[in-house]
Amino acid sequence: QVTLKESGPALVKPTQTLTLTCTFSGLSLRTAGMRVNWIRQPPGKALEWLAHIDWDDDKFYSTSLKTRLTISKDTSKNQVVLTMTNMDPVDTATYYCSRTTATPWETAMATGYYYYMDVWGKGTTVTVSS
Amino acid sequence: DIQLTQSPSSLSASIGDRITITCRASESIGTYLNWYQHKSGKAPKLLIYAASSLQSGVPSRFSGSGSGTDFTLTISSLQPEDFATYFCQQSYNTQGVTFGPGTKVDIK
Repeated sequence: QVTLKESGPALVKPTQTLTLTCTFSGLSLRTAGMRVNWIRQPPGKALEWLAHIDWDDDKFYSTSLKTRLTISKDTSKNQVVLTMTNMDPVDTATYYCSRTTATPWETAMATGYYYYMDVWGKGTTVTVSS
Repeated sequence: DIQLTQSPSSLSASIGDRITITCRASESIGTYLNWYQHKSGKAPKLLIYAASSLQSGVPSRFSGSGSGTDFTLTISSLQPEDFATYFCQQSYNTQGVTFGPGTKVDIK
C-alpha cells in the first residue's frame, strides 16, 4: 500500500522560508518512472500544482513560482522536500504531495504515456501571518 | 500554460440524480484529462484518468468522456458519499500540470 504524508510548520511569518517534507511508503524514488508532486490549495480556491521531482532527479516547477521553489529528494529516507522562499499571506494554503503514475498507450503510429496522480497525502495546512 | 475551465461552478442535486460536469481546455489536449473528487480535510481521490478510464476501486456510476478541448464527468445516480468538489486536471503538458477551478456538488 502506497501512502504519503506531508509535514511542516503550521505557521510561518511573512518573508520566511517554508520547508515541507513528504514522507512516503510503498514506493521508491529509485524506481524508474516514479514521480512525486507538490500541490497546494488556498482556502476556497482551486488546486495549484507547484513542482515535481522524478526518480532520475529531473525537476519541474510552476512557471509563476519557480524563482521561489526548490524540490529535492532523499531516497534513503523516502522523502521529498519542498522549500518556498519569501512567504506571503497569499501562500496560506493546504499543501499536498502526490504520486504520479504513468500508463503507456500505443497506436500503430505513436506511443506515449498517460500521467495521473493516483495517491495523495491528506495535506498539511500552512498559515502565513505575522 | 494550458487553462482549464469547469461548469457549473456549483450545483445542487438530490440522491439518485444524474449529474454532468464539464471541463474545457484552452487548447487541444487529446485525452490527457483526469478527474478527481475532493472532500474537505481529506486527500483528493482520482476517479477517471485518460478522459474515460475508471480508476481501480471507483464505482461504475462515475464515467468520463471527451477529447480535444471538451470533457465531461457524469455521475449516473448520485449517492450520499458523492457530495464533494470535483476537479479536472490536464496532463498533456507534464511539465506544467494545471487543474480546473472545481465544481462543488451539494445536496438540494
